[in-house]
Amino acid sequence: QVQLVQSGAEVKKPGASVKVTCKASGYTFTGYYMHWVRQAPGQGLEWMGWINPNSGGTNYAQKFQGRVTMTRDTSISTAYMELSRLRSDDTAVYSCARGEGSSWYPGHYWGQGTLVTVSS
Amino acid sequence: QSALTQPASVSGSPGQSITISCTGTSSDVGSYDLVSWYQQHPGKVPKLMIYEDNKRPSGVSNRFSGSKSGNTASLTISGLQAEDEADYYCCSYAGRSTWVFGGGTKLTVL
Repeated sequence: QVQLVQSGAEVKKPGASVKVTCKASGYTFTGYYMHWVRQAPGQGLEWMGWINPNSGGTNYAQKFQGRVTMTRDTSISTAYMELSRLRSDDTAVYSCARGEGSSWYPGHYWGQGTLVTVSS
Repeated sequence: QSALTQPASVSGSPGQSITISCTGTSSDVGSYDLVSWYQQHPGKVPKLMIYEDNKRPSGVSNRFSGSKSGNTASLTISGLQAEDEADYYCCSYAGRSTWVFGGGTKLTVL
């Protein structure tokens, strides 16, 4: 069965970077885009960007341009999201979500989420 | 890339129907048949309820339906049940290989 398993919670200081992992199993990793979405405490979902695991091509929301980097390692079916120059308002749950259909909309399969806390 | 506009909250009694709107622009909702809807219970992962404006994934109750007119998409839940109480989010393709979510709507079943 399809599973997306993310890395554990992180606590970071302002200005630091965080790298969240999303390990896929149960399907061909390179066959589906991967979205990254975050949700601040008590707030809504926010699309951060996506990666084509086959080509490594990425596209990011304008808000995160210059601070986010999405990569993948096809040998271990894992996607990564790194966010740099962290601020307190980056405190959120970060989730990966597999893209579906011909348009790769964020679909049925999501990771369990990784809580990133930014605090001095 | 501004978030899509959803009402902060809606409510309804068991058995009733409610509709949640999702307003975007001619650059996102109005340009593509790519609006999806997600249900999220507290502390849980979002669940896909509708995709490509009005398609329902297998396993999702037919009480949930999606529609769109112009720049506004809508999610309708008929025969409201207590278990439908949750947060609902719309999402649309916004062009240039980007996506955008709505701010979310809290559904209360009275």
